[in-house]
Parts: sequence; C-alpha cells; structure tokens
Amino acid sequence: DGGITQSPKYLFRKEGQNVTLSCEQNLNHDAMYWYRQDPGQGLRLIYYSQIVNDFQKGDIAEGYSVSREKKESFPLTVTSAQKNPTAFYLCASSILAREDQPQHFGDGTRLSIL
Amino acid sequence: DAKTTQPPSMDCAEGRAANLPCNHSTISGNEYVYWYRQIHSQGPQYIIHGLKNNETNEMASLIITEDRKSSTLILPHATLRDTAVYYCIVRVLNSGGSNYKLTFGKGTLLTVNP
Repeated sequence: DGGITQSPKYLFRKEGQNVTLSCEQNLNHDAMYWYRQDPGQGLRLIYYSQIVNDFQKGDIAEGYSVSREKKESFPLTVTSAQKNPTAFYLCASSILAREDQPQHFGDGTRLSIL
Repeated sequence: DAKTTQPPSMDCAEGRAANLPCNHSTISGNEYVYWYRQIHSQGPQYIIHGLKNNETNEMASLIITEDRKSSTLILPHATLRDTAVYYCIVRVLNSGGSNYKLTFGKGTLLTVNP
C-alpha cells in the first residue's frame, strides 16, 4: 500500500540533544512538508520541499533542520536550539506544492522532553 | 486565505447521514475548499476538495453553494469510526501557482453515537 511512514511514533529527547524524525513516502510525490501541532492548536509549517535537493523554511523553522537527498525521504532534525520541542510532528506529501493538490499525512511522531 | 467558521461540535446517529457545515463568506473565486479529519493522536486524513462544482468520492460528498460562501460535507452513512475532528480549509490560488501550507482552524468534533 502506498503511504507515508513516520518513525518513531514516540520519541524522548534529553536537554541539549539533537533528535531526528524520519519520514518516508512511496507515493512518488515531489513535495513534502513538516508541520508541528501543539495541543488544541492547528498546524504550523516548519519546512517544506518542492523537489529533491531543495527545501524552504516555513513559519517556524528556527531550531529545526531538514534534508531532501532522496525523493522519498524528508527527515527532520530537532536541534538543541529548539527550546520548546514538545509537540506532535506531522509529515505530509503532495504530488506538487500547489493549492489544487491535496496533502496526505503520516501518523505523526510525538516528541517529549525528559 | 479566507477564514472559515464551523460549529464546534455535532452529533450523529450511526447509519445516518452526517452533514457538516462550513461558512467561508469571504472566499475568493480562485480558492479551493478542502476537508480533512483528524482522529485523536493520528495524522489528518484528506477527505475531499472542490472549487466550484459539487464533488463526490468514496468517502464523502462536498456541496458548495452557488455563491461559494458556504459548503457542506456529507458522510452518507456515518459509522462509529467517523468520530473525529473535521476541518474545513480554503486555499488560495496564488499568482505564482504555488501554495505550500495548510492552515487548520478549530474544526468540528463529530461524535457518531450507537
């Protein structure tokens, strides 16, 4: 089945530690996105990538980094510079980064601070 | 993006049609209406989208009024598994042809009762 796989489902970070969240898709989509969702809040865009080897900052990119070396993979690193990393992280993809193309989401990674 | 207004909660009996309203009175002619849903602790699930015409797929129907100021998502035979928060979103068609983020409001919590 085609889809988006995020791992791990739960992740714990120690103070000062970088952690990497995995996102893989086998939908052959060009565009991929990372969002953050806080309790009772909507989605906030962290980074997005329209094509391999290219990515742009979203609304809250500070303290995060990404790479897009392969079409199917878009990992997100939460660095120690992100002072409030506890959240539900969602990866999405779409055929193209266009308003007439629906984004499809993975099941998320819940990050907590130890 | 145009703002949307949805009732905070609705109830529906299992097996009945669920009709979820959305008001988007400030919508422009080039903005798409999208519906997503999110079950607790899962990623959002794309349901359907449309621009001007009514749309139907295997999950739901989308009815857009002629003036496009409101729409209704119809789940024809609601099941217990349809209990979720439903989000109505409008996405603008930018002149550059790209719109990279989804903006979720508070949505409608639909509870399907046995």
